[in-house]
Amino acid sequence: AQKVTQAQTEISVVEKEDVTLDCVYETRDTTYYLFWYKQPPSGELVFLIRRNSFDEQNEISGRYSWNFQKSTSSFNFTITASQVVDSAVYFCALSELGRYSGGYQKVTFGTGTKLQVIP
Amino acid sequence: DAGVTQSPTHLIKTRGQQVTLRCSPKSGHDTVSWYQQALGQGPQFIFQYYEEEERQRGNFPDRFSGHQFPNYSSELNVNALLLGDSALYLCASSGYRGQGETQYFGPGTRLLVL
Repeated sequence: AQKVTQAQTEISVVEKEDVTLDCVYETRDTTYYLFWYKQPPSGELVFLIRRNSFDEQNEISGRYSWNFQKSTSSFNFTITASQVVDSAVYFCALSELGRYSGGYQKVTFGTGTKLQVIP
Repeated sequence: DAGVTQSPTHLIKTRGQQVTLRCSPKSGHDTVSWYQQALGQGPQFIFQYYEEEERQRGNFPDRFSGHQFPNYSSELNVNALLLGDSALYLCASSGYRGQGETQYFGPGTRLLVL
């Protein structure tokens, strides 16, 4: 069965500090997708990134960067020079395809990491 | 381009009642998934609809049912409400028959069962 673990429940940083959010996943499938979503206090989940299991290239988007390592089943998310607007709950998610999900997409979320950026 | 919309935004019900939540997918999307998010938890998958059929279901009882209409919009129905059904209900839509595509979420419906 697919599983996503976000061991960090809450993190507090001072503005302009860098912060890394950890994500470890488990899957039996060789084809899968990993996602990060941001959930501000309003409640709506905002999509940040999608990565497929065949693409281990790290990605950078502005102050955000992602490190995907299949060898350790990790997909970590780093925010550089954090800002107060980054305060939110961040979820890592896994989507399996193929033989173990009947060919249909099912997304499993971690329990989230609450990030508080202090001015 | 309108994103995923959900209605109502908030709802208060009493135990034993029934509730219907509604979702309109993002333009161009044909697949709708529903999630339940309890306070302090990650979203839990309820079920997914494509071509007006439920094609995958999470670990939820039959009290949870749904429907998808020809215009791809969807409803989530919950019968015989329990206190434990209080949660944020999120709808997500995706394209290309939902396989591997990114799911985009609506703002959610906050349900409180008293």
